[in-house]
Amino acid sequence: DAGVIQSPRHEVTEMGQEVTLRCKPISGHNSLFWYRQTMMRGLELLIYFNNNVPIDDSGMPEDRFSAKMPNASFSTLKIQPSEPRDSAVYFCASSTLGGQQETQYFGPGTRLLVL
Amino acid sequence: SQQGEEDPQALSIQEGENATMNCSYKTSINNLQWYRQNSGRGLVHLILIRSNEREKHSGRLRVTLDTSKKSSSLLITASRAADTASYFCAGGTSYGKLTFGQGTILTVHP
Repeated sequence: DAGVIQSPRHEVTEMGQEVTLRCKPISGHNSLFWYRQTMMRGLELLIYFNNNVPIDDSGMPEDRFSAKMPNASFSTLKIQPSEPRDSAVYFCASSTLGGQQETQYFGPGTRLLVL
Repeated sequence: SQQGEEDPQALSIQEGENATMNCSYKTSINNLQWYRQNSGRGLVHLILIRSNEREKHSGRLRVTLDTSKKSSSLLITASRAADTASYFCAGGTSYGKLTFGQGTILTVHP
């Protein structure tokens, strides 16, 4: 299995620019999660989808953040406009909701630096 | 807010010793999971214990859960240098949502 795939792995951008992070979940998984990890705030859940439908976006920090899941094999997290405080590692994870094991499988992360 | 609070925040031991990490949580959970993160990498699932279970083993890992105290512990026996990583507990709901703690940084010296 390829595991959860995220791209890009590293992104450096300037304040005000649009940033798009991409995620391909494990085939057959029906739940997808976006997390943000920083030293100050730890690992925060931003949003999660079940069967491509957003279930809980209460962790999305503000309107500058948006996420979509147009199909079962692809999701994007967009930040527009980006700010330096958005610098963090963004993880995507997928799982099979309703199975015996609700474990999540994490991608390698996208390390974002906003200058 | 973080569901789990790990204790200690950092732990340094010698190879061969046992490592114990504790986690407390605040709200009702369906299960409690432990994950490991190597520096610069994604999280890897280690073990899951359900709310109706009290103890679970997997290889060198032993997890306990006390729902009355809203706490869990992770024991790694006979630690190895390769166990050096950050360890996170996460409370899981029946909807699959996980809320992670701040983590414990474990360093195992050869």
